Amino acid sequence: QKEVEQNSGPLSVPEGAIASLNCTYSDRGSQSFFWYRQYSGKSPELIMSIYSNGDQEDGRFTAQLNKASQYVSLLIRDSQPSDSATYLCAVNIANTAYNTDKLIFGTGTRLQVFP
Amino acid sequence: DAGITQSPRHKVTETGTPVTLRCHQTENHRYMYWYRQDPGHGLRLIHYSYGVKDTDKGEVSDGYSVSRSKTEDFLLTLESATSSQTSVYFCAIRGRNNGYTFGSGTRLTVV
Repeated sequence: QKEVEQNSGPLSVPEGAIASLNCTYSDRGSQSFFWYRQYSGKSPELIMSIYSNGDQEDGRFTAQLNKASQYVSLLIRDSQPSDSATYLCAVNIANTAYNTDKLIFGTGTRLQVFP
Repeated sequence: DAGITQSPRHKVTETGTPVTLRCHQTENHRYMYWYRQDPGHGLRLIHYSYGVKDTDKGEVSDGYSVSRSKTEDFLLTLESATSSQTSVYFCAIRGRNNGYTFGSGTRLTVV
């Protein structure tokens, strides 16, 4: 089982609709969760962070976390063609031996917003 | 990009040759990371550093080594490049709120 799983898509939604992107993770000890957006040929860009159960909203973006179900989601309201990109879910995995941590990524979901 | 630069941006090298990629940061961050990105695999962690001379392996460390002799530079070396190491390599730093900021990437082709 992969540590972080996402549906690769593509997820196609019409302009103005809500896009819903989902992610599951395997490490129950994870405490920090992130969503990155990556345009083709560019580097990943952090768009949302979430640390506790519930919703975290920033503009048109809402991140949702359910630690009991090991599930993270990203909602994009009023989707625009400029939102077309690959969205990467990332989970922080702690290394208690060295008191460090690392970010493990899912393979990403490609979102297409059509006019 | 938040004071992080990668060099070179593009490189073509021959199988069996050593290659070194450089990541440079100007913000004195303690944690630095090297990832590779391939179609169908997403971003995979190669090595990371949690301080000068302190490094650890990631998911796909075979064939790679790293060095961090000063805070601002994190070097990734392919000891003997193979075609399977053709990829886009990203360096990242850990900033506030534990979110990572990525460099612009290095596209490496091994022929």
